[in-house]
Amino acid sequence: GESVGLHLPTLSVQEGDNSIINCAYSNSASDYFIWYKQESGKGPQFIIDIRSNMDKRQGQRVTVLLNKTVKHLSLQIAATQPGDSAVYFCAEDNDYKLSFGAGTTVTVRA
Amino acid sequence: DAGVIQSPRHEVTEMGQEVTLRCKPISGHDYLFWYRQTMMRGLELLIYFNNNVPIDDSGMPEDRFSAKMPNASFSTLKIQPSEPRDSAVYFCASSLDLKNIQYFGAGTRLSVL
Repeated sequence: GESVGLHLPTLSVQEGDNSIINCAYSNSASDYFIWYKQESGKGPQFIIDIRSNMDKRQGQRVTVLLNKTVKHLSLQIAATQPGDSAVYFCAEDNDYKLSFGAGTTVTVRA
Repeated sequence: DAGVIQSPRHEVTEMGQEVTLRCKPISGHDYLFWYRQTMMRGLELLIYFNNNVPIDDSGMPEDRFSAKMPNASFSTLKIQPSEPRDSAVYFCASSLDLKNIQYFGAGTRLSVL
């Protein structure tokens, strides 16, 4: 079946560097995508979303890129901080329900 | 708004007991979702409601699970009887609409012994 998946399960990044988290999706009909951040012991927290009529969307220190041709989504975090350490999930709207990827664990090194 | 509120935060129970998880969505949100998160299966949608009416319960594992939404500000997820394999973190989320941001509660960590 179709599913959302992440390329890498873990990412280690030096504080101050930029982070890039990747996500592949296989449902070409998906038209809405969300990135969530989940810290230990907490619920997923909304970061940024994007609809399929856009290729790029920027927030505060974060940018989401959508490449519909290759069905790829990425989250870029600028100037990564220790507080960015968490698990990051991409989710796609699949038949009006969100399907979540497995998650990428981001660890920020001081 | 205080966000989505779930209770209890932690629940430890013995196999065979009834467990009830509670959720208060964000005021004004028409959609409410129940998810389960485990290491093996990740985050799974169990059921969602629109205006207090269950729309899709295809993710509910089996008849031991049931969910209700008696009014716009309260929902419950009940497991009866509970089994050790039900141990997981259960999240409630709410949103204004489908294809829109879902806001999650802090979750209930359930341990069935």
